[in-house]
Amino acid sequence: GENVEQHPSTLSVQEGDSAVIKCTYSDSASNYFPWYKQELGKGPQLIIDIRSNVGEKKDQRIAVTLNKTAKHFSLHITETQPEDSAVYFCAASNGGYQKVTFGTGTKLQVIP
Amino acid sequence: NAGVTQTPKFRVLKTGQSMTLLCAQDMNHEYMYWYRQDPGMGLRLIHYSVGEGTTAKGEVPDGYNVSRLKKQNFLLGLESAAPSQTSVYFCASCYFGETQYFGPGTRLLVL
Repeated sequence: GENVEQHPSTLSVQEGDSAVIKCTYSDSASNYFPWYKQELGKGPQLIIDIRSNVGEKKDQRIAVTLNKTAKHFSLHITETQPEDSAVYFCAASNGGYQKVTFGTGTKLQVIP
Repeated sequence: NAGVTQTPKFRVLKTGQSMTLLCAQDMNHEYMYWYRQDPGMGLRLIHYSVGEGTTAKGEVPDGYNVSRLKKQNFLLGLESAAPSQTSVYFCASCYFGETQYFGPGTRLLVL
């Protein structure tokens, strides 16, 4: 089955700096890569996703890149703000019934 | 729309007791999922359903049962709770091949 590895497990940045979270996946058939943000005491919420026919996608301060050859994808957050502090999960799916395999999460702390 | 709701929010059980967690969604989604979240292990799929009346095993199904008698509801049952089932449980739903929407979670403590 699919295996998703995520690094780092914790990340502290100064407000205004950029944050990068990296993930690798094992199943070359995976074609959908969502990123979720989980705030304390809440369920994960999708913040951005990318499909395998696209190499990069941006949404304001958030961007995701995908390298299918190397089987890795990354989340980039620019101009970080305190409200970006949360746990971020990457995930991979090969479609069908959309069974998604999650990474182990990155706890991001943005220091004011 | 309420989205995905879960009841209860928190529960304490003794070893061997049983309980049912309820997930409800009002988005007319076909697919529904149950995950458990443990520290350092991300989200692991317990069971899922691709439509009313259907269920299937996920990554960690042992000790759990599920039912999807109505399209909007997905029930997760623990017949004989064990301390290893102490976790936070999340339900999610999605339309065909689209974004999964998560509920707020149920925190379960088994003593």
